Amino acid sequence: ILNVEQSPQSLHVQEGDSTNFTCSFPSSNFYALHWYRWETAKSPEALFVMTLNGDEKKKGRISATLNTKEGYSYLYIKGSQPEDSATYLCAYSNTGNQFYFGTGTSLTVIP
Amino acid sequence: EAQVTQNPRYLITVTGKKLTVTCSQNMNHEYMSWYRQDPGLGLRQIYYSMNVEVTDKGDVPEGYKVSRKEKRNFPLILESPSPNQTSLYFCASSLSIGASEETQYFGPGTRLLVL
Repeated sequence: ILNVEQSPQSLHVQEGDSTNFTCSFPSSNFYALHWYRWETAKSPEALFVMTLNGDEKKKGRISATLNTKEGYSYLYIKGSQPEDSATYLCAYSNTGNQFYFGTGTSLTVIP
Repeated sequence: EAQVTQNPRYLITVTGKKLTVTCSQNMNHEYMSWYRQDPGLGLRQIYYSMNVEVTDKGDVPEGYKVSRKEKRNFPLILESPSPNQTSLYFCASSLSIGASEETQYFGPGTRLLVL
C-alpha cells in the first residue's frame, strides 16, 4: 500500500480568500498525479492530470503544481467562492494502471 | 450523454447472499475500475481492467470478483457479502491509462449495507 497524504484534512475560509492545500506522494516510480473535486452526494469530478515535474495546470480560479522529485503537489484556489466548497482529492499512480487516493481536503467557503 | 452508470444505487442485503453491482460506460473507454470509499480512508481500488478479458487486482480485492466480457460493462460481484463490505462503491472509466493525460470518469456510486 502506497501512502498518499493530503493536508490539511479540512479548512474553512471566508469568501474571497485564496487558499491552497497539499498532496504528498512517493517520489519513486512516478507516473501521474490526478486532482478531483468531490461535492457531497455527487461523484468525484476530474480537475487536473499532471505527469511531468514542474507541470502547472489552471482552470479558472483553480490551479495546481507538481514536484515529482520531492513528491508533492499543491492545489490553489484564488478568491474562494461558496460553490468551491467540496472535498478535493488527489490520486497518485506509479504504473499508470493502479491509483492510490489521499483522504482528501474538505473545503468550506463561508459567505 | 457520455456517462458511467451503476446499478443499484442503494442496496441492503444480508450476509452471504450473492450480489452483483453493474457498471456500464458509453464512451468506448478501455480502462475501468472499481473503488470503495470508507470513512477516514481514501478511495481504495478493488479491481481494474485494462481492456476486454483483462482484469487485475487493486489494493483491496479480497471478497470481490469482476469480469470484463464486453468493453462497456464491468460488473462487481460479491459472492458471499460480509458486514465489512458495507461501503460506498464507485465505478470509474477512462479512455486508456497508458496515455499521459487521461483522467477517470466516475459513476454515481452504490451505497451497500450488509447486515
